Amino acid sequence: GENVEQHPSTLSVQEGDSAVIKCTYSDSASNYFPWYKQELGKGPQLIIDIRSNVGEKKDQRIAVTLNKTAKHFSLHITETQPEDSAVYFCAASMGNFGNEKLTFGTGTRLTIIP
Amino acid sequence: GAVVSQHPSRVICKSGTSVKIECRSLDFQATTMFWYRQFPKQSLMLMATSNEGSKATYEQGVEKDKFLINHASLTLSTLTVTSAHPEDSSFYICSASGDRSGYEQYFGPGTRLTVT
Repeated sequence: GENVEQHPSTLSVQEGDSAVIKCTYSDSASNYFPWYKQELGKGPQLIIDIRSNVGEKKDQRIAVTLNKTAKHFSLHITETQPEDSAVYFCAASMGNFGNEKLTFGTGTRLTIIP
Repeated sequence: GAVVSQHPSRVICKSGTSVKIECRSLDFQATTMFWYRQFPKQSLMLMATSNEGSKATYEQGVEKDKFLINHASLTLSTLTVTSAHPEDSSFYICSASGDRSGYEQYFGPGTRLTVT
């Protein structure tokens, strides 16, 4: 089955700096790659996703890049703010849509230092 | 985005009893719902996938007779933990996917189950 690795496990950045989280996946059949933000005691919140026919997607301060050849994708957060502090999970799915099961990475605890 | 609710948010039950958790999609029809469990400081582990009107598909190692899933309508799925034991204590999270949500998975706020 699919295996998703995520790095780093923890990340601290100064407020205003950029943060980058990287994931690799094992199965080249995966086509859908969402990113979720989870705050303490809450469910994950979808923040951005990308499909295999796109190399990059941006939404305000958040961007995701995908390299299908290398089987890795990354989350980029620019101009970080204290409210960006949370655990971030990447995921991969073999379907073209989210109605296929997701395999999650192990998570990255991001701390923004004021 | 689409909204998914869960009830209850927290529940404490005694060992040997059963507890039911509800997951509802509030503003879209969820053709597929998923149930996850999450231990502290760990990732989400998929337990089962359910499609409306059909039996759930359980992941390897998940006891289907212990974790009963019912997806009776396009807006409601339930997870019943039967004969609960302390090791079943965990954070249970559902997600829902449907055409209005763009087929992305949207997650509920989770249910903290504590078995004493």
